[in-house]
Amino acid sequence: DIVLTQSPATLSLSPGGSATLSCRASQTVSSYLAWYQQKPGQAPRLLVYGASSRATGIPDRFSGSGSGTDFTFTISRVEPEDIAVYHCQQYATPPYTFGQGTKLEI
Amino acid sequence: EVQLLESGGGLVQPGGSLRLSCVGSGSTFSTYAMSWVRQAPGKGMQWVSHISGSGGSTDYADSAKGRFTISRDNSKNTLYLQMNSLRADDTAVYHCAKLALRGSWYNNWFDLWGQGTLVSVSS
Repeated sequence: DIVLTQSPATLSLSPGGSATLSCRASQTVSSYLAWYQQKPGQAPRLLVYGASSRATGIPDRFSGSGSGTDFTFTISRVEPEDIAVYHCQQYATPPYTFGQGTKLEI
Repeated sequence: EVQLLESGGGLVQPGGSLRLSCVGSGSTFSTYAMSWVRQAPGKGMQWVSHISGSGGSTDYADSAKGRFTISRDNSKNTLYLQMNSLRADDTAVYHCAKLALRGSWYNNWFDLWGQGTLVSVSS
């Protein structure tokens, strides 16, 4: 199975700052990578698919980049409402796997 | 707005069974493959099972094979997960999720999730 390693585990920022999250795959996933936001007690929400395509209705403060094995997710101008756990997921090779998540604190 | 709502979770003893349900709103439920994904306490998410839009094709994680059965009733816009021979390590929040593209789950991502239902396996 493809292992996704996310870093850092926890990221603490001040409002208005910029958050950079990393997701590294144990083997290439091409651009078949998605990012999800999960707030406590809520359903996960799709933010990015295809490594860099924003989902419908997602503000352009959220962006993804990368291909192959190294991916980055960036939140610019962080807001208090961005407090959540962010998960990456590969859908290149079954079984689809997820990273352990990065918790964003503000 | 299309939504997914799970139910059926609860406390069950090891070796017991539970059936989870996920009701989807919207008229295109049968067009899309659906999945179950779980998240154990303090751990990352883990894919459990896929089912095609028609229900004719299924796939399972190794941890679910032989114990879990995914099914759907498109007339009721409902997805199911029958879980038998439950173990302590099945304890998790179980989410249903919709695949984004029509057709197969291959190279397809999840574009809609339910809030989840908690399954606790303990004596």
